[in-house]
Amino acid sequence: AQSVTQPDIHITVSEGASLELRCNYSYGATPYLFWYVQSPGQGLQLLLKYFSGDTLVQGIKGFEAEFKRSQSSFNLRKPSVHWSDAAEYFCAVAPTGTASKLTFGTGTRLQVTL
Amino acid sequence: DVKVTQSSRYLVKRTGEKVFLECVQDMDHENMFWYRQDPGLGLRLIYFSYDVKMKEKGDIPEGYSVSREKKERFSLILESASTNQTSMYLCASHDRAGGYTFGSGTRLTVV
Repeated sequence: AQSVTQPDIHITVSEGASLELRCNYSYGATPYLFWYVQSPGQGLQLLLKYFSGDTLVQGIKGFEAEFKRSQSSFNLRKPSVHWSDAAEYFCAVAPTGTASKLTFGTGTRLQVTL
Repeated sequence: DVKVTQSSRYLVKRTGEKVFLECVQDMDHENMFWYRQDPGLGLRLIYFSYDVKMKEKGDIPEGYSVSREKKERFSLILESASTNQTSMYLCASHDRAGGYTFGSGTRLTVV
């Protein structure tokens, strides 16, 4: 069965600092990989996804993620955090193919200090 | 853009009540999902459906059932609500290109 680990429950960074959120997955092959963001009281918004090809994926709001097969990781990065990035971030995986169901990590809550 | 609409943002129900959570998508997607979200646990899959009248159990189906009579509508049913079903419920729709779109969620409180 697939699983996702987000080892950091809560991260605090200063505005303007760089950010890296960690995600490790367990799956027999290379899955589809996703990062979602959830602002308070809101649904989930897709930041970026990886299906195949270039292992560095660009997303919305200046985020990027790098797939590293050898480490089974898909870490999310942003070079300079803005106060509006404060939210909860979820990594998710799905088996390749259709009718796939997402498995989520437990999330990382990002706090941004001014 | 695909739109996934959940009929209620907030619901308060009594223990033992039968509760219906409705989800509608407007893009003719075949696959739809129900998740519940709890602090520290992330999102956990309750049920999913890959076609009309088809359903499969997810990771935590106990205490829930679903209905998919029309392609655009996927309903989650709590047969007899209990306090441990107090949670945020999120519906999602999935297209063949691999994209998932989520609704805004329904926060259910069972008292």
